[in-house]
Amino acid sequence: VHLVQSGAEIKRPGASVKVSCAASGNTFTDYTLHWVRQAPGQRLEWMGWINAGNGDRKYSHNVQGRINITRDTSTSRAYLELSSLRSEDSAVYYCATLVYDILTGYQYFDSWGQGTLVTVSS
Amino acid sequence: DIQMTQSPSSVSASVGDRVTITCRPSQTINDYLNWYQQKPGKAPKLLIYGASTLQNGVPSRFSGSGSGTDFALTISSLQPEDFAVYYCQQSYNTPITFGGGTKVDMK
Repeated sequence: VHLVQSGAEIKRPGASVKVSCAASGNTFTDYTLHWVRQAPGQRLEWMGWINAGNGDRKYSHNVQGRINITRDTSTSRAYLELSSLRSEDSAVYYCATLVYDILTGYQYFDSWGQGTLVTVSS
Repeated sequence: DIQMTQSPSSVSASVGDRVTITCRPSQTINDYLNWYQQKPGKAPKLLIYGASTLQNGVPSRFSGSGSGTDFALTISSLQPEDFAVYYCQQSYNTPITFGGGTKVDMK
């Protein structure tokens, strides 16, 4: 699957941001789409996922209450919305598909978007 | 949450060198451990999943080993295109967590 994300964003503290991830190449509803972010010089941080088929979602407790992941099956897009932004939310945000091997139980990210830079600054 | 500790945080090496990076989770994760390579300005790229299974298209100079709480990624003969940052990631449970990264740069 090929993932293409929306462009860079600059936001004020307290604002919200919505990043999109367009999928192509395979059946969109077969995937779980995850969001992972990376602040400058920091490790990758998993934020949450959505089952593109049934809409089930799960979020990291680090951003619980501020995060909303949605999807639009008619356009094969997933969305990450993060509210009450603070400077620590400045990062590159990636969407990625997680492969689940039913025989082994292994799960791994095999396709990634190009990343979206979100800058939070007053 | 499972904490993932990588070492070293950086390593300087030359083309042809053998490089080994270790990853230690804070609790056992069986073999639910993946390795990624990330180059500047790019998304991570999957190298190895299930601790030791090479992803399709990844050169055989990369190998992974370990289980439980002790894992390693080895590059048997470093090539110019291998200078990058490497991350481990556990998929044993949620939240998915990553190591802090190991930067492999040129000596």
